Amino acid sequence: AQSVAQPEDQVNVAEGNPLTVKCTYSVSGNPYLFWYVQYPNRGLQFLLKYITGDNLVKGSYGFEAEFNKSQTSFHLKKPSALVSDSALYFCAPRGTGGFKTIFGAGTRLFVKA
Amino acid sequence: EPEVTQTPSHQVTQMGQEVILRCVPISNHLYFYWYRQILGQKVEFLVSFYNNEISEKSEIFDDQFSVERPDGSNFTLKIRSTKLEDSAMYFCASREQGENSPLHFGNGTRLTVT
Repeated sequence: AQSVAQPEDQVNVAEGNPLTVKCTYSVSGNPYLFWYVQYPNRGLQFLLKYITGDNLVKGSYGFEAEFNKSQTSFHLKKPSALVSDSALYFCAPRGTGGFKTIFGAGTRLFVKA
Repeated sequence: EPEVTQTPSHQVTQMGQEVILRCVPISNHLYFYWYRQILGQKVEFLVSFYNNEISEKSEIFDDQFSVERPDGSNFTLKIRSTKLEDSAMYFCASREQGENSPLHFGNGTRLTVT
């Protein structure tokens, strides 16, 4: 069975500090890995994806993610957090050859000024 | 930038009634999805639709649920006899061809069953 885990319900950081939102997954084969962000009363927005190649992927709004195959992790990072980054973040793998993308429980990020 | 649009934004219905949630995916997209989110928490997969048929569905998507693409632009989710536990935010999503293409989501329909 496929699964994805985001171990932290909430992450608190101060503006200007680096942030990390953790994700581990259990999906057979070599899945495609995505991060999405959700702002209040909005749908999810695509941030970045890992397909293959370089383990550090860069995406929108200065976010990046680090893929680690041996640990089956795909952690979201940003070198310097902004208050406007406060939102709900979802890690979402999709198995190769599959149709569906599964979502983690989400991690709420609070960035304090 | 093209968007996925969903109507209505909020639907209130009585238990046992039928509801239809509507979506207009991005025009050149080929894969269509419904997800739901209860109380701003986990996003749950309901169903995927490709080539005019259901390609995959979850355990949640039982006989009370159905999807349809009645014309070249709309994609609908019908719940035949709503239950209180169907209250949730329902999101439509679409994506283009390509296994690694990301999902594009609408802003959702908040369904409240009373």
